Amino acid sequence: GENVEQHPSTLSVQEGDSAVIKCTYSDSASNYFPWYKQELGKRPQLIIDIRSNVGEKKDQRIAVTLNKTAKHFSLHITETQPEDSAVYFCAASSRAGGTSYGKLTFGQGTILTVHP
Amino acid sequence: EPEVTQTPSHQVTQMGQEVILRCVPISNHLYFYWYRQILGQKVEFLVSFYNNEISEKSEIFDDQFSVERPDGSNFTLKIRSTKLEDSAMYFCASTRLAGEQFFGPGTRLTVL
Repeated sequence: GENVEQHPSTLSVQEGDSAVIKCTYSDSASNYFPWYKQELGKRPQLIIDIRSNVGEKKDQRIAVTLNKTAKHFSLHITETQPEDSAVYFCAASSRAGGTSYGKLTFGQGTILTVHP
Repeated sequence: EPEVTQTPSHQVTQMGQEVILRCVPISNHLYFYWYRQILGQKVEFLVSFYNNEISEKSEIFDDQFSVERPDGSNFTLKIRSTKLEDSAMYFCASTRLAGEQFFGPGTRLTVL
């Protein structure tokens, strides 16, 4: 089955700095890679996702890159703000439809702390 | 904007008791999931449900667990005889076909 490794487990940055979180996956059939932000005691919320036919996607201060050959993908947050502090999870999946039922395999999570 | 809802938000039970966790997925979604998250750990897949049957399940989802969609809106997870290690946050999620899974707010299950 799929295995997703995520690094680092904790990341501490100063406000305004960039933050990068990296994930690797094992199953070459995975074709959908979402990133979730989870605040304490809350549900995971999707912040950005990328599909395997795209190498990079950007949404304001957040970007995700995907290297299918190396089986890794990364989250980049620029101009970090204290409200970006949360746990970030990467995940890998085959999109639901056809023979795939879309289960998400999550990485271990990264605790991001942005210091004012 | 439609949301996945879950009840109860917190359930406390004695070891060996049965619990039922309830979810109302988004109405036009076709795929439904249960995940769990032990405190401080990653989110783990339990089971997926499509076309009124289990489509995939993890090794965590043993004979003590079952899922049901008793009507057109509810999606339930039953744990027949709870163990201490079942204590976790349980999230329901749903998706149509576009990939993004929408998570419910979770039910915190505490087994004493």
